[in-house]
Amino acid sequence: EVVVTQSPATLSVSPGERVTLSCTASQNIDNNLAWYQQKPGQAPRLLIHGASTRATGISARFSGSGSGTEFTLSISSLQSDDFAVYYCQQYNNWPPFTFGQGTRLDIK
Amino acid sequence: QVQLVQSGPEVKKPGSSVRVSCKASGGTFKTYVYNWVRQAPGQGLEWMGGVTPTFASHYAPRFQGRVTITADESTNTAYMEMSGLKSEDTAVYYCARGVAPMIFRNAFDIWGQGTMVTVSS
Repeated sequence: EVVVTQSPATLSVSPGERVTLSCTASQNIDNNLAWYQQKPGQAPRLLIHGASTRATGISARFSGSGSGTEFTLSISSLQSDDFAVYYCQQYNNWPPFTFGQGTRLDIK
Repeated sequence: QVQLVQSGPEVKKPGSSVRVSCKASGGTFKTYVYNWVRQAPGQGLEWMGGVTPTFASHYAPRFQGRVTITADESTNTAYMEMSGLKSEDTAVYYCARGVAPMIFRNAFDIWGQGTMVTVSS
Protein backbone atom coordinates (compact mmCIF):
# COMPACT_ATOMS: atom_id res chain seq x y z
CA GLU A 1 0.00 0.00 0.00
CA VAL A 2 1.25 3.48 -0.89
CA VAL A 3 1.41 5.71 2.17
CA VAL A 4 0.69 9.38 1.45
CA THR A 5 1.94 11.92 3.98
CA GLN A 6 0.86 15.55 4.05
CA SER A 7 2.61 18.42 5.77
CA PRO A 8 2.03 20.43 7.76
CA ALA A 9 -1.03 19.14 9.61
CA THR A 10 -2.23 22.69 10.22
CA LEU A 11 -1.25 25.96 8.61
CA SER A 12 -2.31 29.40 9.87
CA VAL A 13 -2.13 32.12 7.25
CA SER A 14 -3.59 35.54 6.58
CA PRO A 15 -5.95 36.39 3.70
CA GLY A 16 -4.06 37.64 0.68
CA GLU A 17 -0.97 35.52 1.34
CA ARG A 18 0.34 32.65 -0.74
CA VAL A 19 0.60 29.18 0.76
CA THR A 20 2.18 25.88 -0.29
CA LEU A 21 1.02 22.48 0.96
CA SER A 22 3.14 19.35 0.61
CA CYS A 23 2.32 15.73 -0.11
CA THR A 24 4.82 12.85 -0.19
CA ALA A 25 4.17 9.34 -1.47
CA SER A 26 6.06 6.33 -0.08
CA GLN A 27 6.82 5.12 -3.60
CA ASN A 28 6.79 6.43 -7.14
CA ILE A 29 3.27 7.31 -8.31
CA ASP A 30 4.25 9.15 -11.51
CA ASN A 31 1.80 12.06 -11.77
CA ASN A 32 -1.27 10.15 -10.55
CA LEU A 33 -2.07 12.51 -7.73
CA ALA A 34 -5.13 14.59 -6.94
CA TRP A 35 -5.88 17.41 -4.50
CA TYR A 36 -9.26 17.98 -2.86
CA GLN A 37 -10.73 20.75 -0.73
CA GLN A 38 -13.25 19.90 1.97
CA LYS A 39 -15.30 22.29 4.07
CA PRO A 40 -17.23 21.25 7.21
CA GLY A 41 -20.37 19.29 6.40
CA GLN A 42 -19.58 19.13 2.69
CA ALA A 43 -18.28 16.51 0.30
CA PRO A 44 -14.72 16.93 -0.96
CA ARG A 45 -14.26 19.00 -4.10
CA LEU A 46 -11.67 18.07 -6.72
CA LEU A 47 -9.14 20.84 -7.32
CA ILE A 48 -6.25 19.23 -9.19
CA HIS A 49 -5.72 15.88 -10.93
CA GLY A 50 -2.76 14.49 -12.83
CA ALA A 51 -0.64 16.41 -10.27
CA SER A 52 -1.04 19.73 -12.11
CA THR A 53 -4.29 19.83 -14.12
CA ARG A 54 -6.96 22.06 -12.64
CA ALA A 55 -10.41 20.52 -12.49
CA THR A 56 -13.29 22.19 -14.31
CA GLY A 57 -14.23 25.53 -12.80
CA ILE A 58 -11.26 25.75 -10.41
CA SER A 59 -9.61 29.15 -10.04
CA ALA A 60 -6.14 29.71 -11.48
CA ARG A 61 -5.09 30.70 -7.95
CA PHE A 62 -4.77 26.96 -7.30
CA SER A 63 -1.78 25.24 -8.87
CA GLY A 64 -0.26 21.80 -8.44
CA SER A 65 3.19 20.50 -9.21
CA GLY A 66 5.44 17.50 -8.72
CA SER A 67 5.89 13.96 -9.93
CA GLY A 68 7.27 10.71 -8.59
CA THR A 69 7.03 11.05 -4.81
CA GLU A 70 6.99 14.78 -4.03
CA PHE A 71 4.04 17.05 -4.76
CA THR A 72 2.83 20.51 -3.81
CA LEU A 73 -0.38 22.50 -3.96
CA SER A 74 -0.03 26.27 -4.03
CA ILE A 75 -2.79 28.75 -3.40
CA SER A 76 -2.15 32.39 -4.17
CA SER A 77 -3.97 35.44 -2.81
CA LEU A 78 -5.80 33.47 -0.14
CA GLN A 79 -9.45 34.32 0.21
CA SER A 80 -11.77 33.61 3.13
CA ASP A 81 -13.45 30.87 1.08
CA ASP A 82 -10.13 28.97 0.82
CA PHE A 83 -9.90 28.15 4.52
CA ALA A 84 -10.69 24.45 4.64
CA VAL A 85 -9.05 21.03 4.86
CA TYR A 86 -7.01 19.88 1.86
CA TYR A 87 -6.36 16.24 1.01
CA CYS A 88 -4.07 14.68 -1.54
CA GLN A 89 -4.81 11.25 -3.02
CA GLN A 90 -2.71 8.85 -5.05
CA TYR A 91 -4.45 6.75 -7.68
CA ASN A 92 -1.43 5.10 -9.27
CA ASN A 93 -1.13 1.93 -7.20
CA TRP A 94 -4.20 0.02 -6.15
CA PRO A 95 -5.84 -1.46 -4.32
CA PRO A 96 -6.20 0.67 -2.39
CA PHE A 97 -6.17 4.24 -3.61
CA THR A 98 -4.91 6.20 -0.63
CA PHE A 99 -5.41 9.66 0.79
CA GLY A 100 -3.15 11.78 2.93
CA GLN A 101 -4.31 12.67 6.41
CA GLY A 102 -5.13 16.24 5.38
CA THR A 103 -3.82 19.75 5.97
CA ARG A 104 -6.10 22.20 7.71
CA LEU A 105 -5.78 25.77 6.53
CA ASP A 106 -6.76 28.23 9.26
CA ILE A 107 -7.15 31.98 9.23
CA LYS A 108 -4.39 33.71 11.21
CA GLN B 1 -24.65 18.54 -15.29
CA VAL B 2 -24.37 15.18 -13.55
CA GLN B 3 -25.38 14.97 -9.91
CA LEU B 4 -25.03 12.02 -7.57
CA VAL B 5 -27.84 11.78 -5.04
CA GLN B 6 -27.41 9.37 -2.18
CA SER B 7 -29.95 7.66 0.06
CA GLY B 8 -30.72 8.99 3.52
CA PRO B 9 -29.10 8.43 6.93
CA GLU B 10 -29.13 5.01 8.52
CA VAL B 11 -28.95 3.79 12.11
CA LYS B 12 -27.95 0.15 12.42
CA LYS B 13 -27.23 -2.39 15.14
CA PRO B 14 -23.81 -4.04 15.39
CA GLY B 15 -23.65 -7.16 13.26
CA SER B 16 -26.31 -6.00 10.82
CA SER B 17 -25.93 -4.85 7.21
CA VAL B 18 -26.53 -1.57 5.41
CA ARG B 19 -27.02 -0.68 1.77
CA VAL B 20 -26.43 2.85 0.52
CA SER B 21 -27.52 3.96 -2.93
CA CYS B 22 -26.12 6.62 -5.24
CA LYS B 23 -28.30 7.73 -8.18
CA ALA B 24 -26.87 9.67 -11.07
CA SER B 25 -29.04 12.28 -12.71
CA GLY B 26 -28.55 14.78 -15.48
CA GLY B 27 -25.94 12.94 -17.50
CA THR B 28 -24.36 9.69 -18.61
CA PHE B 29 -24.18 6.93 -16.01
CA LYS B 30 -22.54 4.16 -17.99
CA THR B 31 -18.87 4.33 -19.05
CA TYR B 32 -17.75 5.78 -15.72
CA VAL B 33 -16.25 4.20 -12.60
CA TYR B 34 -18.15 4.76 -9.35
CA ASN B 35 -16.18 4.69 -6.13
CA TRP B 36 -17.09 4.68 -2.45
CA VAL B 37 -15.14 6.69 0.11
CA ARG B 38 -15.89 6.92 3.79
CA GLN B 39 -15.04 9.44 6.49
CA ALA B 40 -15.33 8.65 10.19
CA PRO B 41 -16.25 11.59 12.46
CA GLY B 42 -13.37 14.06 12.60
CA GLN B 43 -11.17 11.79 10.50
CA GLY B 44 -9.78 11.68 6.96
CA LEU B 45 -10.94 10.05 3.76
CA GLU B 46 -10.71 6.31 3.10
CA TRP B 47 -11.27 4.65 -0.27
CA MET B 48 -13.35 1.49 0.02
CA GLY B 49 -13.67 0.30 -3.56
CA GLY B 50 -15.22 0.94 -6.93
CA VAL B 51 -17.25 -0.57 -9.76
CA THR B 52 -16.24 -0.30 -13.43
CA PRO B 53 -18.45 0.25 -16.50
CA THR B 54 -18.19 -3.51 -17.15
CA PHE B 55 -19.50 -4.13 -13.63
CA ALA B 56 -16.23 -5.45 -12.25
CA SER B 57 -15.76 -4.45 -8.62
CA HIS B 58 -12.49 -3.80 -6.86
CA TYR B 59 -12.01 -3.37 -3.14
CA ALA B 60 -9.51 -2.09 -0.63
CA PRO B 61 -8.07 -5.15 1.14
CA ARG B 62 -9.50 -4.17 4.50
CA PHE B 63 -13.04 -4.21 3.07
CA GLN B 64 -12.71 -7.27 0.87
CA GLY B 65 -15.34 -9.84 1.83
CA ARG B 66 -17.39 -7.41 3.90
CA VAL B 67 -18.34 -4.82 1.28
CA THR B 68 -20.14 -5.33 -2.03
CA ILE B 69 -20.23 -2.55 -4.61
CA THR B 70 -22.55 -2.87 -7.57
CA ALA B 71 -24.16 -0.77 -10.28
CA ASP B 72 -27.54 -0.94 -12.02
CA GLU B 73 -27.43 0.64 -15.44
CA SER B 74 -31.21 0.46 -15.82
CA THR B 75 -31.71 2.85 -12.90
CA ASN B 76 -28.42 4.79 -13.12
CA THR B 77 -27.66 3.78 -9.55
CA ALA B 78 -24.58 2.50 -7.75
CA TYR B 79 -24.80 0.65 -4.46
CA MET B 80 -22.53 -0.08 -1.52
CA GLU B 81 -23.52 -2.82 0.88
CA MET B 82 -21.58 -3.53 4.06
CA SER B 83 -22.18 -6.48 6.35
CA GLY B 84 -21.03 -7.28 9.88
CA LEU B 85 -21.29 -3.65 10.97
CA LYS B 86 -19.25 -2.52 13.95
CA SER B 87 -19.27 0.74 15.87
CA GLU B 88 -16.05 1.69 14.05
CA ASP B 89 -18.02 1.72 10.80
CA THR B 90 -19.89 4.82 11.96
CA ALA B 91 -19.03 7.32 9.24
CA VAL B 92 -20.24 9.40 6.33
CA TYR B 93 -20.19 7.31 3.17
CA TYR B 94 -19.67 9.08 -0.15
CA CYS B 95 -20.00 7.88 -3.70
CA ALA B 96 -17.72 9.57 -6.20
CA ARG B 97 -17.36 9.32 -9.97
CA GLY B 98 -14.05 9.03 -11.80
CA VAL B 99 -12.95 11.98 -13.90
CA ALA B 100 -12.58 10.22 -17.23
CA PRO B 101 -14.74 7.47 -18.72
CA MET B 102 -13.56 3.85 -18.73
CA ILE B 103 -10.49 4.52 -16.55
CA PHE B 104 -10.24 2.96 -13.10
CA ARG B 105 -7.08 4.76 -11.99
CA ASN B 106 -8.60 8.19 -11.71
CA ALA B 107 -9.32 11.15 -9.50
CA PHE B 108 -12.92 11.70 -8.40
CA ASP B 109 -14.63 14.78 -9.74
CA ILE B 110 -18.31 14.35 -8.89
CA TRP B 111 -19.33 13.40 -5.36
CA GLY B 112 -22.60 12.54 -3.73
CA GLN B 113 -23.77 14.53 -0.73
CA GLY B 114 -22.80 11.77 1.69
CA THR B 115 -24.83 9.33 3.78
CA MET B 116 -24.36 9.15 7.53
CA VAL B 117 -24.35 5.58 8.81
CA THR B 118 -24.46 5.21 12.58
CA VAL B 119 -23.77 1.82 14.15
CA SER B 120 -24.95 1.65 17.72
CA SER B 121 -26.55 -0.85 20.05
